Amino acid sequence: AIRMTQSPSSFSASTGDRVTITCRASQNISSNLAWYQQKPGKAPNVLIHAASTLQSGVPSKFSGSGSGTDFTLTISCLQSEDFATYYCQQYYNYPLTFGGGTKVEIK
Amino acid sequence: EVHLLESGGGLVQPGGSLRLSCAASGFTFTNYAITWVRQVPGKGLEWVATISGNGADTYYADSVKGRFTISRDNSKNTLYLQMSGLRAEDTAIYYCAKDRSDIALVYVMDVWGQGTTVIVSS
Repeated sequence: AIRMTQSPSSFSASTGDRVTITCRASQNISSNLAWYQQKPGKAPNVLIHAASTLQSGVPSKFSGSGSGTDFTLTISCLQSEDFATYYCQQYYNYPLTFGGGTKVEIK
Repeated sequence: EVHLLESGGGLVQPGGSLRLSCAASGFTFTNYAITWVRQVPGKGLEWVATISGNGADTYYADSVKGRFTISRDNSKNTLYLQMSGLRAEDTAIYYCAKDRSDIALVYVMDVWGQGTTVIVSS
């Protein structure tokens, strides 16, 4: 199975900050990567697919980049509603696998 | 509005069985693959199983293969997960989630239900 490793696992940031989360795949997954946001007690919500394509309805402050094994999710101007846990997911092959998550907390 | 609603969770003894349901509305159900994803509270996401729109193709995580069966009734717009031989490590919130594409299975889930909780304990 392809292992997805996210870093950091958590960090604190302030409103207005630009933040970047990293996801590394254990093998080449091309651009077959999605990013999800999950808030406490809620289901995940897709933000990005194909590594850099913004899902319809998702604010443009979210952006994704990367291909192969290294990927990033960037939030350009952190707002209160962005404090959540973020997961990457590869869909290059089965089994589908998720990263361990990155929790973004308020500083 | 596109909507998924899971049901059927509960407390079950180790070795027992349970059937989860996922009722869909607001989209052409038969056109979309649906996936079950589970999450231990406070932990990460784990893919469980996926079924194609017409039900012909199914895929399972190794951790549930041979014990869980994913199926769907397109006449009822409902997805199922039949779980047997349940173990403590199957305790989790189970989400059903719709694939984002109706053209090809892309394994990106764009609509999720609210989840149903399964607890395996004696």
